[in-house]
Amino acid sequence: DVKVTQSSRYLVKRTGEKVFLECVQDMDHENMFWYRQDPGLGLRLIYFSYDVKMKEKGDIPEGYSVSREKKERFSLILESASTNQTSMYLCASRVSKGTANNQETQYFGPGTRLLVL
Amino acid sequence: KNEVEQSPQNLTAQEGEFITINCSYSVGISALHWLQQHPGGGIVSLFMLSSGKKKHGRLIATINIQEKHSSLHITASHPRDSAVYICAVAKRAWETGNQFYFGTGTSLTVIP
Repeated sequence: DVKVTQSSRYLVKRTGEKVFLECVQDMDHENMFWYRQDPGLGLRLIYFSYDVKMKEKGDIPEGYSVSREKKERFSLILESASTNQTSMYLCASRVSKGTANNQETQYFGPGTRLLVL
Repeated sequence: KNEVEQSPQNLTAQEGEFITINCSYSVGISALHWLQQHPGGGIVSLFMLSSGKKKHGRLIATINIQEKHSSLHITASHPRDSAVYICAVAKRAWETGNQFYFGTGTSLTVIP
């Protein structure tokens, strides 16, 4: 079974702090994703990565950055946390199969609930 | 306007009832995924559809590509089916950028 783990289930930070959210997958997947989930808005893509050191912006990248130094690890960084970044953050990974990519299942981590005070 | 619309947003059913959740989308897709999210946050994939119908246990998913519509059915519902069900559509392979659009989810509660 694919396992995607996230470094924290719950996190409380103060406005202005730098926040690191870590995601690790154990199935050698090329593609990794960071989403945030808010009531009434569904999952929204922040950033994704299709290979080591490669990254692409999703729909809402402002205020976030990412790092993919190793294939199994994809980090989301909040450079200066703000209260509007209070949310559930979900990481996902997926194998890469060229043009059949989007027919492959995404495997999700358990999520990190971040509260920014 | 959301690319993916789900209905209903909330659903309460008695144990044993037949349940239908609907998903409509407005973009060209390569596949549609049904996801399940239990309280606590973890999301699991139930189905991936590009045409027709799939069945897994008491769950059945159908898709009509021409009408841009999919349904998730649960037969003989059980309290353990209580969860949020999310419809996600995957863009066609050659399109760049974000790969998936997600519905806002249907929160299902099955009462014993």
